Amino acid sequence: GAGVSQSPSNKVTEKGKDVELRCDPISGHTALYWYRQRLGQGLEFLIYFQGNSAPDKSGLPSDRFSAERTGESVSTLTIQRTQQEDSAVYLCASSLFSRVGSPLHFGNGTRLTVT
Amino acid sequence: DQQVKQNSPSLSVQEGRISILNCDYTNSMFDYFLWYKKYPAEGPTFLISISSIKDKNEDGRFTVFLNKSAKHLSLHIVPSQPGDSAVYFCAASVGGGADGLTFGKGTHLIIQP
Repeated sequence: GAGVSQSPSNKVTEKGKDVELRCDPISGHTALYWYRQRLGQGLEFLIYFQGNSAPDKSGLPSDRFSAERTGESVSTLTIQRTQQEDSAVYLCASSLFSRVGSPLHFGNGTRLTVT
Repeated sequence: DQQVKQNSPSLSVQEGRISILNCDYTNSMFDYFLWYKKYPAEGPTFLISISSIKDKNEDGRFTVFLNKSAKHLSLHIVPSQPGDSAVYFCAASVGGGADGLTFGKGTHLIIQP
């Protein structure tokens, strides 16, 4: 596809369950980012992958959150033992490289609702 | 501690007039600034950017102004069109990189016919 693809588009889960969110970046983009947007808030950085380098996990809010990326393709964001405060839109973005002049291309997001 | 602030949650402008969206930042290390536009149920899309070595960057109807001494930037849209109705996010980074972008909370721009 031409853009960043995220699935599912919507996810409703019960508190305490685990969820897995998927992101397919634009082919050839070496950098991949996960952000989340809570209601009425800005985009909050979660994690960043660049090529084969160790990911920057500095934005992950707790050890319940983890993410993996296979090479320079698909990434999955896993949230274990979900809490109501995890409800948000989770956005994935990719870029050709992580420098200026290579803006982020975002997917449409996964809206997660924890009941 | 919000490093990028968009103090107007919403802004209503008449079609054809100028829209001015404002953004303030506190981190003096920020040296690259971007504006993103977001429609409902879609991801943000890149609109325009500016490096701290400039004070203005123009692209068609969109112009971004940077006032480093005031730690303030603004996005001007002229003339405003109905399709400009969206949420606009201001973002900033250190070192010009796209990693570690800090976003504001966004301003919802509504263009009135």
